[in-house]
Amino acid sequence: AQTVTQSQPEMSVQEAETVTLSCTYDTSENNYYLFWYKQPPSRQMILVIRQEAYKQQNATENRFSVNFQKAAKSFSLKISDSQLGDTAMYFCACGGGATNKLIFGTGTLLAVQP
Amino acid sequence: DTEVTQTPKHLVMGMTNKKSLKCEQHMGHRAMYWYKQKAKKPPELMFVYSYEKLSINESVPSRFSPECPNSSLLNLHLHALQPEDSALYLCASSPAGANYGYTFGSGTRLTVV
Repeated sequence: AQTVTQSQPEMSVQEAETVTLSCTYDTSENNYYLFWYKQPPSRQMILVIRQEAYKQQNATENRFSVNFQKAAKSFSLKISDSQLGDTAMYFCACGGGATNKLIFGTGTLLAVQP
Repeated sequence: DTEVTQTPKHLVMGMTNKKSLKCEQHMGHRAMYWYKQKAKKPPELMFVYSYEKLSINESVPSRFSPECPNSSLLNLHLHALQPEDSALYLCASSPAGANYGYTFGSGTRLTVV
């Protein structure tokens, strides 16, 4: 079974500043993948970044990067130079390997303030 | 085409009605999913279809009936729903499995009255 925990229900950041969203997970899979999804008020879930658990190098996508600590089962998302359009609910997710499921954390509502 | 298209976007139905939600993708993905999402909650997996066969049913009540007529199309048939079934229903697809994440549609907002 897989579980994903996000301990920050809400966060706020000033435009142009940096914010880090936390996520911890647990899985019995040896081969698994981790994801951050963004869900703006338009409600569509958008894939932000993906990390392969067998790779030590942290994934980056433009202003988005992760800090993947496999031993600690931690997978945080850093957003640099925050923009108003980053305002959304952010979900951490774990999946892949033998199980064809993507399990989501409870989400962090991020508000970027002008 | 890199989208998952869901119709309708909004649906209001009575508890005795029968309705269907439709999901379509033309990315050649071989796995498709239904999720249910309540307000300010994470999506909850309902069904997984892999190569057009139902591979996971997360103990969903029988008033929800999925169907996968072909590799591009996924339906969710609704019958005798309860008000607590009101939610956002999200469809997603993936090449095969969850390794590359899912591509989601924008959902159907369902209200049961």
